[in-house]
Amino acid sequence: QVQLVESGGGVVQPGGSLRLSCAASGFDFSTFAMHWVRQAPGKGLEWVTMIPFYGGDQHYADAVKGRFTVSRDNSKNMVFLQMDSVGLDDTAVYYCARGWGYFGHWGRGAQVTVSS
Amino acid sequence: EIVLTQSPGTLSLSPGDRATLSCRASQNVISNFLAWYQQKPGQAPRVLIYGAYTRATGIPDRFSGSGSGTDFTLTISRLEPEDFAVYYCQQYGGSPYSFGQGTKLEIK
Repeated sequence: QVQLVESGGGVVQPGGSLRLSCAASGFDFSTFAMHWVRQAPGKGLEWVTMIPFYGGDQHYADAVKGRFTVSRDNSKNMVFLQMDSVGLDDTAVYYCARGWGYFGHWGRGAQVTVSS
Repeated sequence: EIVLTQSPGTLSLSPGDRATLSCRASQNVISNFLAWYQQKPGQAPRVLIYGAYTRATGIPDRFSGSGSGTDFTLTISRLEPEDFAVYYCQQYGGSPYSFGQGTKLEIK
């Protein structure tokens, strides 16, 4: 069955960096676009970024453009989110999700807390 | 960027009732690429409907989606106790793939 498992979450200071990983299994990873979606405490869902199956032409939400970078390694069935220059507003659960547009499968999420 | 506005913010109903949730887009959603998700506390969201009206695999037929263009509706015909949760709409006609702010369906 399809599984998505996020890792790399934790506490980071404002202005710092963190790298999230998402390990995929149970499907042909190299043929699917992957996304990151986040949810701040007590708030709704916010789409963050998308990377196509071939890795190029990524898309980003304005809130993270220029600070976050998405990448993937199709040989290892992994997708990554490099988070730089983080701020308090980046505190959230970060979900990895599969799909070219809507998200049929989600991971359980990784908690990222930005705090001094 | 397409802004999605969901109403009402909170809906208080009883098991067995019919629930109608609305999602309005600030501009036409391309090809009616509109999805609905259910999220329970401490869990990841689950897709219910995609393409405005197609039920996802394993979703009971009491859930139905309708609408086109800028106005979309999720209907739950007869509420079961497990249906009380938060519901989000999302458009995927183009980047950014925006979500609505959510409707909380609570037990009356």
